[in-house]
Amino acid sequence: AQSVTQLDSHVSVSEGTPVLLRCNYSSSYSPSLFWYVQHPNKGLQLLLKYTSAATLVKGINGFEAEFKKSETSFHLTKPSAHMSDAAEYFCVVSEPVNNNAGNMLTFGGGTRLMVKP
Amino acid sequence: EAGVAQSPRYKIIEKRQSVAFWCNPISGHATLYWYQQILGQGPKLLIQFQNNGVVDDSQLPKDRFSAERLKGVDSTLKIQPAKLEDSAVYLCASSSFAGGATYEQYFGPGTRLTVT
Repeated sequence: AQSVTQLDSHVSVSEGTPVLLRCNYSSSYSPSLFWYVQHPNKGLQLLLKYTSAATLVKGINGFEAEFKKSETSFHLTKPSAHMSDAAEYFCVVSEPVNNNAGNMLTFGGGTRLMVKP
Repeated sequence: EAGVAQSPRYKIIEKRQSVAFWCNPISGHATLYWYQQILGQGPKLLIQFQNNGVVDDSQLPKDRFSAERLKGVDSTLKIQPAKLEDSAVYLCASSSFAGGATYEQYFGPGTRLTVT
């Protein structure tokens, strides 16, 4: 069974400072990992994904994440926070199900990022 | 391309009433998912369809929840009768590939259900 733990439910940073959102996972397979962002009253949007290629993954809006198998981590970072980054962020692990007939996404509990001016 | 469409966006019902949600996936996407997102939590998968067949419904409370995708395109999720704990946002997502773990799911805006 797969699981995802987001280590911080809330993170507060000042605009222009670095962002670090932490995620640990467990999986029976070589997982695919994603980060999604959810702005208030908006749908979930994919930020980036890891699919067993390069361990450092670059996404949209300056975000990136590093897959570390030894630490079972997939932390999300951004060098400089912007006010528009304030949102809920979800770390997600994906595994195939039913002989590869589909895939199951398991979401972490989410981290709310607040950006102070 | 048009995104995943859901309706209604908001619904308020009393407990023991029934409710239905509708989803239209991105054109050409074979796989459709329904998720339940309770306030303050991450989404939880309820059911997954490939075309009009069910791939996984292991987390669907089948005593009160049902879902169908009769023509392999749009889908409806029904709750009957509703309970207070069903208050949540119901998200629909679609994906362009039926198998494998790496394909992105595209999410709709969700339906916010309040059960009083």
